[in-house]
Amino acid sequence: RKEVEQDPGPFNVPEGATVAFNCTYSNSASQSFFWYRQDCRKEPKLLMSVYSSGNEDGRFTAQLNRASQYISLLIRDSKLSDSATYLCAVRPSGGFKTIFGAGTRLFVKA
Amino acid sequence: DADVTQTPRNRITKTGKRIMLECSQTKGHDRMYWYRQDPGLGLRLIYYSFDVKDINKGEISDGYSVSRQAQAKFSLSLESAIPNQTALYFCATSFGDTEAFFGQGTRLTVV
Repeated sequence: RKEVEQDPGPFNVPEGATVAFNCTYSNSASQSFFWYRQDCRKEPKLLMSVYSSGNEDGRFTAQLNRASQYISLLIRDSKLSDSATYLCAVRPSGGFKTIFGAGTRLFVKA
Repeated sequence: DADVTQTPRNRITKTGKRIMLECSQTKGHDRMYWYRQDPGLGLRLIYYSFDVKDINKGEISDGYSVSRQAQAKFSLSLESAIPNQTALYFCATSFGDTEAFFGQGTRLTVV
């Protein structure tokens, strides 16, 4: 079983739709969680960190469920510019290696 | 200018050749990483370093070596390149447990 797993998609949604991604992790000692966005042939860039209490940044909401060992990303009112691959990343407590999921591809269409 | 700079950006090399990918950063971060990205497999960690005197293997270090020449520089070498090392390579940095910042990537093709 992979340490971090994501649904590869692709997710095809119309503009204005709400879309949710889940990411599961196997190491219960994981402490830090992140969502990255990666555009085609570009480097990943941090979208948001995920805190235990959940956090929101505009149209984006991240949640952490420690009991079930998953993190989620919700995108509301999707824009064409949201089309990208979304990577989740997990780092264990006291650890130094950030483990990435394979990414979920999102296409937002007009 | 990018905070994390990788050179070269693209490289085609022949099987058996030695090649070095370089990474430099101006962020002042202590930790540096090398990842490779393959379609469907995501980012996989090759090597990581916490400071100049500390080098650690990642999950796929076979066939690779690294050198941390200074806090700001971390190079990745393929001693004898093989076709299955064709991939997109990323250098990344972080400060402590904060998020990672990536370079723009090096697209390497081994023929």
